[in-house]
Amino acid sequence: NAGVTQTPKFRVLKTGQSMTLLCAQDMNHEYMYWYRQDPGMGLRLIHYSVGEGTTAKGEVPDGYNVSRLKKQNFLLGLESAAPSQTSVYFCASRPTGVRSEKLFFGSGTQLSVL
Amino acid sequence: AQKVTQAQTEISVVEKEDVTLDCVYETRDTTYYLFWYKQPPSGELVFLIRRNSFDEQNEISGRYSWNFQKSTSSFNFTITASQVVDSAVYFCALTPPDIMDTGRRALTFGSGTRLQVQP
Repeated sequence: NAGVTQTPKFRVLKTGQSMTLLCAQDMNHEYMYWYRQDPGMGLRLIHYSVGEGTTAKGEVPDGYNVSRLKKQNFLLGLESAAPSQTSVYFCASRPTGVRSEKLFFGSGTQLSVL
Repeated sequence: AQKVTQAQTEISVVEKEDVTLDCVYETRDTTYYLFWYKQPPSGELVFLIRRNSFDEQNEISGRYSWNFQKSTSSFNFTITASQVVDSAVYFCALTPPDIMDTGRRALTFGSGTRLQVQP
């Protein structure tokens, strides 16, 4: 009963390094989302995907790229990390269907960029 | 545009006290959903409740209750007889319904209220 799994859970990067965060869901959900959580700002939407092979920008997309090559996986990439990207990253998914707006979240990835 | 305001950044209470977490929202949609999520110290986000804007009845679940008032655009959350395990950050969130089922409606979150319950 895994639900939404994020890897890694913690990561420390140096400025300019790149990395990829992986989100995997086993609920056959069509829609997936990446949020970042910062103190005093709640969760803000970075990118989202409405199906395999599709991605779209959210509220704060700059500095990030995403890919959804397989339905169950949604990858978030940082090509050149900056200290401003120090945050906790959450992946979420939900099924299709009207009245299914409830999001299922992963446990988060804590990223520090030095 | 939507906005969710949780004006209380941090609240500290002593165990067994009642506590209310405020949530005020702004939206131009006539229909919408409101949510509360709990984030305990372990970090995960736990779904607590979803409320449809058509339904203004208050809801009670054990020690938790929610007061939805459309007239004041508020969806407040009360914990009765608080316990140490209630210590967490609580988020209020809002979304219009995804009527066309496009997946392009994502939750808008407030900044969260950190609740500390002292023994």
